[in-house]
Amino acid sequence: GESVGLHLPTLSVQEGDNSIINCAYSNSASDYFIWYKQESGKGPQFIIDIRSNMDKRQGQRVTVLLNKTVKHLSLQIAATQPGDSAVYFCAEGSFGNEKLTFGTGTRLTIIP
Amino acid sequence: GAGVSQSPSNKVTEKGKDVELRCDPISGHTALYWYRQSLGQGLEFLIYFQGNSAPDKSGLPSDRFSAERTGGSVSTLTIQRTQQEDSAVYLCASSLRWNSPLHFGNGTRLTVT
Repeated sequence: GESVGLHLPTLSVQEGDNSIINCAYSNSASDYFIWYKQESGKGPQFIIDIRSNMDKRQGQRVTVLLNKTVKHLSLQIAATQPGDSAVYFCAEGSFGNEKLTFGTGTRLTIIP
Repeated sequence: GAGVSQSPSNKVTEKGKDVELRCDPISGHTALYWYRQSLGQGLEFLIYFQGNSAPDKSGLPSDRFSAERTGGSVSTLTIQRTQQEDSAVYLCASSLRWNSPLHFGNGTRLTVT
């Protein structure tokens, strides 16, 4: 079946450095992708999204890159801060299939 | 403004009992979703409501699970005859429409003993 997966389950980054979290997806029909951040005891929080007609989108300290050729999605976080420590999920969706499919998540730990 | 509100935040129940979980979506959001998250896992889709359309129930794991959405707003997820494998965090989310970000509540942590 279709799936969304992450390359690394855990990632530790020094405070101030940049971090990159990767995600592979297998449904070539997916045309909407989202990154969520989940802190302990809380629901996932929207970070940034991108549609399939784009290959890059930037937000505040975050950039999402989409490579449709290899079905790969990444989240770049610049100048990481302690508050960036969380589990990050990618999710995919497609027109006519409203339920988002989530990956298993990557735990990002920022080292002071 | 107010976000998605879920209640209770924690629920401990005995195996075999029924439970009801409540979700108050963001006002004006037409789409409402229920997901389940087991410990250390990703989110598993359960059910989706969009306006007055028939809900997409394709993710419900068994007929012990049901959900309704009254008046296009508040939703209740009901689990009958709970089993230990039902223990998880149940997350509700709402969005303005398809292809717009989901806004999640903080979930209800269900423990079946």
